[in-house]
Amino acid sequence: AQSVTQLGSHVSVSEGALVLLRCNYSSSVPPYLFWYVQYPNQGLQLLLKYTSAATLVKGINGFEAEFKKSETSFHLTKPSAHMSDAAEYFCAVSLNQAGTALIFGKGTTLSVSS
Amino acid sequence: DAGITQSPRHKVTETGTPVTLRCHQTENHRYMYWYRQDPGHGLRLIHYSYGVKDTDKGEVSDGYSVSRSKTEDFLLTLESATSSQTSVYFCAISRDRGESAFFGQGTRLTVV
Repeated sequence: AQSVTQLGSHVSVSEGALVLLRCNYSSSVPPYLFWYVQYPNQGLQLLLKYTSAATLVKGINGFEAEFKKSETSFHLTKPSAHMSDAAEYFCAVSLNQAGTALIFGKGTTLSVSS
Repeated sequence: DAGITQSPRHKVTETGTPVTLRCHQTENHRYMYWYRQDPGHGLRLIHYSYGVKDTDKGEVSDGYSVSRSKTEDFLLTLESATSSQTSVYFCAISRDRGESAFFGQGTRLTVV
């Protein structure tokens, strides 16, 4: 079985500051990992995904994430926060294995202040 | 954007009544999922399907059933709605396991 844990339900940064959202995973086989973003009253939108190619993955809107097997982590970063980045962010894990599904963490709300 | 439509988008229903939510896709994707989203819980998987007539339970499947009689439609039924099932329900699709998922706009269900 697979699972993800997002550390910190709420993160606050100033505009222009580094964004770091933490995600740790648990799986018995090599995982596929994803970050999604949800703006108020909308569905989820894919930011980026890791599928066993490069360990540093670049996504949309300047976000990137690094897969670290030794730390079982897939943290999301952005060098400089923008007001429009304020949203809820979800980490998710899936396996290339029969009988498994896409499982989400509880989410982290990012607030950006001016 | 992926062709995925949820209906209805909003519904208010009474406790004890059956309710069916529909997810329709035009992408011919194999996997379809139903999640519920509640504050503090993120998205929790209710049921998913990996093909026509092939479904499996998620972590919060009690009180829910699903059916997938054709590739494009995945129905979620609350057999006898309870107030604890008040939530926002999201459908998602993915081409195959391990692939990224595309989400519908959600259905806000209120059980009174």
